[in-house]
Amino acid sequence: EDQVTQSPEALRLQEGESSSLNCSYTVSGLRGLFWYRQDPGKGPEFLFTLYSAGEEKEKERLKATLTKKESFLHITAPKPEDSATYLCAVQDNYGQNFVFGPGTRLSVLP
Amino acid sequence: DGGITQSPKYLFRKEGQNVTLSCEQNLNHDAMYWYRQDPGQGLRLIYYSQIVNDFQKGDIAEGYSVSREKKESFPLTVTSAQKNPTAFYLCASSPQGPAEAFFGQGTRLTVV
Repeated sequence: EDQVTQSPEALRLQEGESSSLNCSYTVSGLRGLFWYRQDPGKGPEFLFTLYSAGEEKEKERLKATLTKKESFLHITAPKPEDSATYLCAVQDNYGQNFVFGPGTRLSVLP
Repeated sequence: DGGITQSPKYLFRKEGQNVTLSCEQNLNHDAMYWYRQDPGQGLRLIYYSQIVNDFQKGDIAEGYSVSREKKESFPLTVTSAQKNPTAFYLCASSPQGPAEAFFGQGTRLTVV
């Protein structure tokens, strides 16, 4: 059974304090790993897709990386507006299974 | 503007009542999805539809029903058979599969 776990559950950072969020997955053949940002009371917003180990994607202060067992979302010099819940999801090679992790709730304090 | 609209934003239901959540999209997407989100858990798939007049059960379809009579609309009915309906419900659409889907703003359903 495909599974996704995320750690930590919650993370508080000072503005400018860089850190990383982890997404660990078990899937029978990875088609893709996806990162989303979700603001409180709103729907998730797509950030990145990663397809193979070693791949990296960047957007502003965010960089996502992928290994065979996990993905990291690195946040460099975060700002308060980066505060949100970050979700990851995996899709298996058959395309039938699309599983979300529980998310990491990030708070960036000014 | 193109997008996906869910209504209402907040919904209160008495036990034993059926309620219907609306989801409309003007992105011309074929596929539409309903997810349920509970605190500390990932989004779980309730139902999905890849084409008009066709839909499939997801992982937690019991106590829910849907219809897809128009490409733009995918309403979800939470029936009285759903034992724990209080949750945040998200609708999404995409040109094909669930990856990179566009999400609506969600409906928070509370049973009172």
